[in-house]
Amino acid sequence: AQSVTQLGSHVSVSEGALVLLRCNYSSSVPPYLFWYVQYPNQGLQLLLKYTTGATLVKGINGFEAEFKKSETSFHLTKPSAHMSDAAEYFCAVSGYSGTYKYIFGTGTRLKVLA
Amino acid sequence: NAGVTQTPKFQVLKTGQSMTLQCAQDMNHNSMYWYRQDPGMGLRLIYYSASEGTTDKGEVPNGYNVSRLNKREFSLRLESAAPSQTSVYFCASSEKSGEKLFFGSGTQLSVL
Repeated sequence: AQSVTQLGSHVSVSEGALVLLRCNYSSSVPPYLFWYVQYPNQGLQLLLKYTTGATLVKGINGFEAEFKKSETSFHLTKPSAHMSDAAEYFCAVSGYSGTYKYIFGTGTRLKVLA
Repeated sequence: NAGVTQTPKFQVLKTGQSMTLQCAQDMNHNSMYWYRQDPGMGLRLIYYSASEGTTDKGEVPNGYNVSRLNKREFSLRLESAAPSQTSVYFCASSEKSGEKLFFGSGTQLSVL
C-alpha cells in the first residue's frame, strides 16, 4: 500500500526566504513521487516528478525536490520565495502493486509574506 | 486543446437525489481517475480506471459508482446523495498508470 504524509498544513515564509515543504512516503514497491500545485479555484498542476535515477529533481518555477530513500522523504524546496508562490502544494505517490493507485497527501498551504 | 473536461461545474442536490458527473479527455490517455477534495483532507481517490474496460476502487468508494464508457469518458454516479458527499470533485487522466496527471477544472457539489 502507498501513502504520503505532509508535515504542516500551513507554512508561512517571507518573500525572498527559503521555502521548505515536507513530504514522507510509504510504499511497498519502488515509487513514483510527485509534487503538484493548486492555485485558488483551479485544478492541480504538476511541479515535478521523481521516477528513478538522480535524487535531486528540478521542476518548474524554480522548485526542486530531493529523494532520500533512507528517510523515505521527498521534500520540496525553493531558494527564494516569491509572492506568486502562494498556493496549496500536494505531494503524491504512485507505484505498481497489482494496479496503479495515485495517492495524494493532505496538502500544505503556502503563504508568502511581503 | 480541451484536455480534461468536466461537467457540470456547479450542482446543488437534495439528499436522496441522484446525479452523474461527466468527464472526458481528448489526449488519448489510458488511465482516468476521480477524486474528491475536502478542506484539510487533500485529494482522496474515489475510483480509477487503469485502462479502458477496467475500474477499481480507491480510498473512498462508498456511495459512488463509475463507468468507463470508452477510452475518452469516465463518469461518476451518486445514486442517493448525502450531505457527506458535499465536496469538490476532480477528474484526472494520465497517458498510462503512474504518469503525470492532467486535471479537469472541478465540479463543486452541494448536497442539502
